[in-house]
Amino acid sequence: QSVLTQPPSVSAAPGQKVTVSCSGSSSNIGRNFVSWYQQFPGTAPKLLIVDNNKRPSGIPDRFSVSKSGTSATLAITGLQTEDEADYYCGAWDSVLTSWVFGGGTKLTVL
Amino acid sequence: QVQLQESGPGLVSPSQTLSLTCSVSGASITSGDYYWTWVRQSPGKGLEWIACFHYTGPTYYNPSLRSRAVISVDTSKRRFSLRLTSVTAADAALYYCGRHRISYYYVMDVWGRGTTVTVSS
Repeated sequence: QSVLTQPPSVSAAPGQKVTVSCSGSSSNIGRNFVSWYQQFPGTAPKLLIVDNNKRPSGIPDRFSVSKSGTSATLAITGLQTEDEADYYCGAWDSVLTSWVFGGGTKLTVL
Repeated sequence: QVQLQESGPGLVSPSQTLSLTCSVSGASITSGDYYWTWVRQSPGKGLEWIACFHYTGPTYYNPSLRSRAVISVDTSKRRFSLRLTSVTAADAALYYCGRHRISYYYVMDVWGRGTTVTVSS
């Protein structure tokens, strides 16, 4: 059972928009930065975006995030087939004094 | 370019101790801007954060693994390690080393490629 809760899967058609939710608590999302990671099969996760919409170079602005209270949301617009991957949210938990991940969400581009 | 390379035995017997090493190149473990970390991923499962440390001393562990995990560093050899005692089949996973960048929202901005650990007698 992950500390951060994500839907196991989401799907949408190419060109559409999809959102991935990440629900936590006041000890993690509620007080610390949330970051998102993208993982393709057989590869290591890669930093995708931080919750103030800071993106590493090379990450398109089709990826955006928002946060409200103890929940965060990753949005992907203009879906492309190459966006098919697993997506994880992560944050520091100030009570557990450990980093916590969501369980991951598998994105399928139909 | 920063690169992290995990290494380990590949196969560990149940109840034994797992030892993994992460070799760091292109960055200094003694830079104050980083926490160095271990994350694992069981087959077909999600990411599980294990532990991290700062070279000045602060070390943090996943509460569920705190009693069995020890993270250590050899700054002279530019590497850090993870020891996990009393392993069981549940510890079989792909183990990644990485770093948290303090000045960039504590994100995990660099990851190794991972090393697979199998637990079997």
